[in-house]
Amino acid sequence: KAGVTQTPRYLIKTRGQQVTLSCSPISGHRSVSWYQQTPGQGLQFLFEYFSETQRNKGNFPGRFSGRQFSNSRSEMNVSTLELGDSALYLCASSLVDARPNYGYTFGSGTRLTVV
Amino acid sequence: GNSVTQMEGPVTLSEEAFLTINCTYTATGYPSLFWYVQYPGEGLQLLLKATKADDKGSNKGFEATYRKETTSFHLEKGSVQVSDSAVYFCALPSSGNTPLVFGKGTRLSVIA
Repeated sequence: KAGVTQTPRYLIKTRGQQVTLSCSPISGHRSVSWYQQTPGQGLQFLFEYFSETQRNKGNFPGRFSGRQFSNSRSEMNVSTLELGDSALYLCASSLVDARPNYGYTFGSGTRLTVV
Repeated sequence: GNSVTQMEGPVTLSEEAFLTINCTYTATGYPSLFWYVQYPGEGLQLLLKATKADDKGSNKGFEATYRKETTSFHLEKGSVQVSDSAVYFCALPSSGNTPLVFGKGTRLSVIA
């Protein structure tokens, strides 16, 4: 059974550029969440999607956006990149209606470096 | 919303030592509680969970008991191995059906 797949694994971008990250959840999982992980702030919640609808959103500026497709794959986009956006971006999928009681399955993440 | 506090690291232990990583929570009601582990260069993996008070979650020799009296979910292992070196995160739903909130993480290093 394939796990959560995130692409690309590593990315280097320049300030001011935009970036799109992709996440394919485990087959059958319909809920996808995104987290930003940095040494200083730890894991911070970005978005949660279920059946193509954004269910929850974290406290991030409007430069951060996301979407989910009908096959449950999700993308997140960051526009006008800043140095502080450098982080590991983690995607997590879960089996049922945005309920975390079953726990998440995380991907290995996309390491974004902004220079 | 709910929140979690876990002990600061790093924690360095010798192989076969006993491990405790403290986690306390503040929550409305009795949400499920989780421990996740992150090995170097990887994403987080669910280590164990407990879905109600007095439940004990266990996996790979690790255990944690959901204690509502002390609002705690401490992670323990009787004999750690070098391969247990990782960062450990305590987590719970922020409220109701909303996504998990995580503690800051505790880095464990086990030396042979």
